[in-house]
Amino acid sequence: DAGVIQSPRHEVTEMGQEVTLRCKPISGHDYLFWYRQTMMRGLELLIYFNNNVPIDDSGMPEDRFSAKMPNASFSTLKIQPSEPRDSAVYFCASILGTAGNTIYFGEGSWLTVV
Amino acid sequence: DQQVKQNSPSLSVQEGRISILNCDYTNSMFDYFLWYKKYPAEGPTFLISISSIKDKNEDGRFTVFLNKSAKHLSLHIVPSQPGDSAVYFCAASYGNYQLIWGAGTKLIIKP
Repeated sequence: DAGVIQSPRHEVTEMGQEVTLRCKPISGHDYLFWYRQTMMRGLELLIYFNNNVPIDDSGMPEDRFSAKMPNASFSTLKIQPSEPRDSAVYFCASILGTAGNTIYFGEGSWLTVV
Repeated sequence: DQQVKQNSPSLSVQEGRISILNCDYTNSMFDYFLWYKKYPAEGPTFLISISSIKDKNEDGRFTVFLNKSAKHLSLHIVPSQPGDSAVYFCAASYGNYQLIWGAGTKLIIKP
């Protein structure tokens, strides 16, 4: 399997623009997670889905952030409008719920908002 | 409130010696603990885990120890190799898939 695939790997955008990050989980995995990593706060869970349904979005920082999972093989994290403080690495991860707690991460999307 | 703490931001160890990375937690409900390794520009990768019913789990050069009374776990790497240089994250969960992460410890293996 190719693992969790994220795009874009790097994104530089201007403040106020919309940013869309994409994720393809490992085939067959039924949980999908969006994390954000910053120097100040480390790894933060933003939202997670089970069978395409959002279960907990309490980590989403503001209404500017939204996430969708239209099907089992695709999810998006959208920031609109983006702000410089959103600059971070955003990781998508997935897990097969019956196979223990080992979460597999994508390589991350490095977002810089200027 | 940091439920999982890695108090050492960085650790430097001579190649061939033992590396010990520490992690403390506050929530006694945690029942599963994991260590992940992260190289620059890559996502975290799973390293080793331990259930709360155990106090030790070993996998090759990596051993994780759990002290439930002290709410402390540690990762031992013996012997340390240059490829072990990375950031190590401790994580904990209780009954679901929401992992609570530590801030990470950067391990540097000196030749």
